[in-house]
Amino acid sequence: NAGVTQTPKFQVLKTGQSMTLQCAQDMNHNSMYWYRQDPGMGLRLIYYSASEGTTDKGEVPNGYNVSRLNKREFSLRLESAAPSQTSVYFCASSAGPGANVLTFGAGSRLTVL
Amino acid sequence: AQTVTQSQPEMSVQEAETVTLSCTYDTSESDYYLFWYKQPPSRQMILVIRQEAYKQQNATENRFSVNFQKAAKSFSLKISDSQLGDAAMYFCAYSPTGNQFYFGTGTSLTVIP
Repeated sequence: NAGVTQTPKFQVLKTGQSMTLQCAQDMNHNSMYWYRQDPGMGLRLIYYSASEGTTDKGEVPNGYNVSRLNKREFSLRLESAAPSQTSVYFCASSAGPGANVLTFGAGSRLTVL
Repeated sequence: AQTVTQSQPEMSVQEAETVTLSCTYDTSESDYYLFWYKQPPSRQMILVIRQEAYKQQNATENRFSVNFQKAAKSFSLKISDSQLGDAAMYFCAYSPTGNQFYFGTGTSLTVIP
């Protein structure tokens, strides 16, 4: 019972480099999310996908792009990493409206030097 | 704007004692969901308890219970018979009947042996 799997768990980048965080869920959930967690700021929504084929901006989308590749997979891309993007990133999924419970991945710690 | 406020950045409790974590939220919706998530040092986000706003009865899960005051927009978490394994960061979260989830900044709970 994998739930939500995200990779990599750790990554160090140099400013200006690009990378993609991968996320996959095996619960047949409709909705998927990317959050970032920073000390003292809780979890802030970057992007979400209410269903396959749709994506919407969250609270802090600048500097990120997402792709809902299929129902299972939702990736987050940093095109040109900046030190301000140093954070812990969480992918989560939900069955959708009415179910309203988020299941989280284990998190990915990203450091941008 | 819909916001969640956790006014206690840190709390401590003696093992076997009871502690209450506070959470307030701001919304104009009448129907919504509230959650408490636990994040231990492993970083994994774990659902502790869930409350549906249209239910007047407070949710309970073993040693965890909530005090839901809809008119006051307050949603506190009570942990009874605290155990060392309860030490974690606790996040309060709010979700309207849709796809958005909003998190507070968290309360770090220390359990003293």
